[in-house]
Amino acid sequence: AQRVTQPEKLLSVFKGAPVELKCNYSYSGSPELFWYVQYSRQRLQLLLRHISRESIKGFTADLNKGETSFHLKKPFAQEEDSAMYYCAPYTGNQFYFGTGTSLTVIP
Amino acid sequence: NAGVTQTPKFQVLKTGQSMTLQCAQDMNHEYMSWYRQDPGMGLRLIHYSVGAGITDQGEVPNGYNVSRSTTEDFPLRLLSAAPSQTSVYFCASSYSLRFSATYNEQFFGPGTRLTVL
Repeated sequence: AQRVTQPEKLLSVFKGAPVELKCNYSYSGSPELFWYVQYSRQRLQLLLRHISRESIKGFTADLNKGETSFHLKKPFAQEEDSAMYYCAPYTGNQFYFGTGTSLTVIP
Repeated sequence: NAGVTQTPKFQVLKTGQSMTLQCAQDMNHEYMSWYRQDPGMGLRLIHYSVGAGITDQGEVPNGYNVSRSTTEDFPLRLLSAAPSQTSVYFCASSYSLRFSATYNEQFFGPGTRLTVL
């Protein structure tokens, strides 16, 4: 069965500390991988996509095909990073969103 | 551009009632989709459409109908509401996801919070 797992429902870090949000997936073929973010009182929006190897707001995501993981990382967390983060593989015309990780950055 | 709009923002239904959640986009996007968001479950795809006149089922389609008569509109119909359909519903659109999502960002609506008593 197709599945995406975000093991941490809640994650708290102090401002300036590194942060890593984990995502593991199990899909046949090679899904495209994305991270979406929902800030308080804002709409869900795209954060970054793996294909472009981009860094957005200091976040990067490493695709490890061997471990089928796509963890989101940032070396120095900021208060404005507090939000809900969703890992979202895409395959077969469909996005499969994970259960999400709520990140709180403590001042 | 208004982007993706959803109405209503809130709705309370009684079991067995029917209703339609409205979704519209003014970006000439081909791809539109409906998700439900439940605590601990993330977002789950209900139905999607790759263009006017074409719809398909997602992960959790039971109890819902959709149609896509125009590019702009993608209404979601609850045929006979049940308490299990209490959720927050999101509509999203993208220019085209026919072949790849890589450069086709999904734009989400603000959501509709539905309670079924």
